[in-house]
This record gives sequence, C-alpha cells and structure tokens, in this order.
Amino acid sequence: ETGVTQSPTHLIKTRGQQVTLRCSSQSGHNTVSWYQQALGQGPQFIFQYYREEENGRGNFPPRFSGLQFPNYSSELNVNALELDDSALYLCASSLAAGLYEQYFGPGTRLTVT
Amino acid sequence: KNEVEQSPQNLTAQEGEFITINCSYSVGISALHWLQQHPGGGIVSLFMLSSGKKKHGRLIATINIQEKHSSLHITASHPRDSAVYICAVDNYGQNFVFGPGTRLSVLP
Repeated sequence: ETGVTQSPTHLIKTRGQQVTLRCSSQSGHNTVSWYQQALGQGPQFIFQYYREEENGRGNFPPRFSGLQFPNYSSELNVNALELDDSALYLCASSLAAGLYEQYFGPGTRLTVT
Repeated sequence: KNEVEQSPQNLTAQEGEFITINCSYSVGISALHWLQQHPGGGIVSLFMLSSGKKKHGRLIATINIQEKHSSLHITASHPRDSAVYICAVDNYGQNFVFGPGTRLSVLP
C-alpha cells in the first residue's frame, strides 16, 4: 500500500506566475484536503475534495483552486502568485470526509520571488 | 479568541516524564485530530477522536465533547518524542482548524 505522495518537492516561481501542485492519495481514499503552512506558522485549511466535488473551503481567495480526478488524485492550482504564497503546501487523504484519520503527504515547498 | 487553543505553547521535559498537552476549542466539530510534526515539515496523524479515549503505545488521547476539551498524554517520554504537537478540529470537511501547536523537547 503506497502512502500519500506529492510533487514536486520544491518549486521556485516568480510573482504573477501560476503553479500546479499534485497529490496522489493513499489507495482506497476518496477524500483529499489541502493545507498551506507558512514558515513558523501552523497549517491553514485551503479546501477539501470528496468524490471529485469541493466539500469545504477555508479563507483563501478564488485564485486558489483545485481538482480531484476519478482516481482521486488531486491538483492545487494557484494563479497570480504573490510573495505571501511562499509556504509548504500539504495534502492529506482520508477514507471519507469527517470521521476518518488523515494521512499527510511530505509537502511541496513553494518559493515565490 | 482563537477557535482552537493549546497549552502549553512550549514544553521541556526530562526523559521518562509523563507529559500532558491540552487543547480546547470553541466550534462545533465532527472529529478532533492530534498530529505530530517534526522539523522539516512531515506531519503524522496520531489520533482521530470523536468521543472517549484512544491509546497507541505510550500515547493516550482523550476528548470531552461537552467541555470542548481534549488532552494528549505521553507516558515515559523519550527524546525521539521531541516535535511539535498540533490539535486540529474538523467539521465534516467544511472547515478544518488547527491549533497553534505545542513544541515539545525531551532531554536525555
């Protein structure tokens, strides 16, 4: 059984550019959540996808968008990158939404210059 | 007032000590999660609780839904337990709120 994987590991982008981060869920998991963790801060909830539909969203602007595919892998897209978007982006998968343990990927560290 | 609070913020213990980290929350939840984060960013889920008590090895987690309070206990602490411990609450995926974390250092 493979765990949650994320790609790329590290990424450097320029302000104003767009970025796509990818997450492969653990086998059998149909729910994926995305989090942003700025340096020295706790994680912040971006959104959650359950069976390809957005199930919940935190306090992030619309330029943060996501997709979940039929195989339950997921993408996080960020448009018009800002310097403050520099952070560790974590995804976590679970068997379903709500009452299930989350399994975290190793994260993608995004630097915006 | 933050929706999820933890205490203490920092904790230093001697190897072998019994450790308690507390979490209180002010929002409705479907579940409460205790997470461990080591330097470098990796997060490991320790417990998911919706009621009562759970135990894994030297770790015990309890939750009191009426009082909106949870505790994480570490028995016979070890230097490898040194990490940031984070309490997070989940409302069926509609919102997921993290506490500020407790930084634990266990000295040999």
